[in-house]
Amino acid sequence: AQRVTQPEKLLSVFKGAPVELKCNYSYSGSPELFWYVQYSRQRLQLLLRHISRESIKGFTADLNKGETSFHLKKPFAQEEDSAMYYCAVLNTDKLIFGTGTRLQVFP
Amino acid sequence: GAVVSQHPSRVICKSGTSVKIECRSLDFQATTMFWYRQFPKQSLMLMATSNEGSKATYEQGVEKDKFLINHASLTLSTLTVTSAHPEDSSFYICSAWARGRTEAFFGQGTRLTVV
Repeated sequence: AQRVTQPEKLLSVFKGAPVELKCNYSYSGSPELFWYVQYSRQRLQLLLRHISRESIKGFTADLNKGETSFHLKKPFAQEEDSAMYYCAVLNTDKLIFGTGTRLQVFP
Repeated sequence: GAVVSQHPSRVICKSGTSVKIECRSLDFQATTMFWYRQFPKQSLMLMATSNEGSKATYEQGVEKDKFLINHASLTLSTLTVTSAHPEDSSFYICSAWARGRTEAFFGQGTRLTVV
């Protein structure tokens, strides 16, 4: 079945620690992958997308087609990074979300 | 950035009544709109995809007669929850995708409570 998997519901780290939020997908073809972030009481917003290979707010994500993964990484977490993070796949004109990972960064 | 406005942000209705939720793209033309439902502390579940001027495509398990989606113009899509029941209480989110853009923009969501 086609799906997006985020195995961790909650990830807690201290400020300054490295962060990796995992995302695996099982889609055929060449889907487009995204990371969306939802800060407290705000709407979902795009964090980054694999086609642009950019770094936003210190976050990066590399598409690994062999492992069908698109893990989100940041070398030094900040308290303001605390939020819900969703991995999403655009495939055949459908935008499907993973279950989300809540990142808590403690001072 | 592009703005998607969703109204109302919060609505309470009686069981058996219908509720309409509007989703507008304010500064771009949305060729595709996605409608999601989000249960507390869970992910966004895609309900349907609608393209301007054509019928919506519903995901498996979503009743198209209960959740009526209209995408009559390039800036407006509506979701009508018909004959609402308490189990329809949820957070509904719309998302708009414009031709030529490379990301979807989200409304602020509508919290529906059916009493």
